[in-house]
Amino acid sequence: NAGVTQTPKFRILKIGQSMTLQCTQDMNHNYMYWYRQDPGMGLKLIYYSVGAGITDKGEVPNGYNVSRSTTEDFPLRLELAAPSQTSVYFCASSYSTGGGNTIYFGEGSWLTVV
Amino acid sequence: QKEVEQDPGPLSVPEGAIVSLNCTYSNSAFQYFMWYRQYSRKGPELLMYTYSSGNKEDGRFTAQVDKSSKYISLFIRDSQPSDSATYLCAMSALIIQGAQKLVFGQGTRLTINP
Repeated sequence: NAGVTQTPKFRILKIGQSMTLQCTQDMNHNYMYWYRQDPGMGLKLIYYSVGAGITDKGEVPNGYNVSRSTTEDFPLRLELAAPSQTSVYFCASSYSTGGGNTIYFGEGSWLTVV
Repeated sequence: QKEVEQDPGPLSVPEGAIVSLNCTYSNSAFQYFMWYRQYSRKGPELLMYTYSSGNKEDGRFTAQVDKSSKYISLFIRDSQPSDSATYLCAMSALIIQGAQKLVFGQGTRLTINP
């Protein structure tokens, strides 16, 4: 059981470039999330999705876009990369409206914008 | 004022010591209270969660919640070198259609010295 899989693990981007972080889950979860984690900081919610075709902004959505065409996939698109987007990105998924025991995180994608 | 405050540490203790990690919060809407453990270059993994005031024990770990004081704690007994990690407190509030918003503390980096 793979759980939540993110690719790539590491990436260096130049300012102004665009890229997509891929996220796939094999647990048939309805809810999916993208968080970013800056050094010495907790995680902040970028976007979330409650099901295929339905997405909404979190706390820090500027500079990002998402789509959810299938239950399994929730890619995060960075347009016109900026140094402020240097961070670690975590995708997560959950299957119920219950407590935190249902949220599973991927292993993270380390992104550097230079 | 941040919604969740956590002393970032770092904290270094000898093996076998009792460790106390703490967070305060300001939002009364938080319904679930969690502790995540994050090893270096890995995603957060759920350690404990609770939804009511009081104590919850799981092996060497005890989570304590005091809703009246808006204060949560994690105690680790008989600490082991394998407990060395960053510990993140997180609070959960439902957003739309059952999706949860997790608000994280900054994380406390813990080192257990053999």
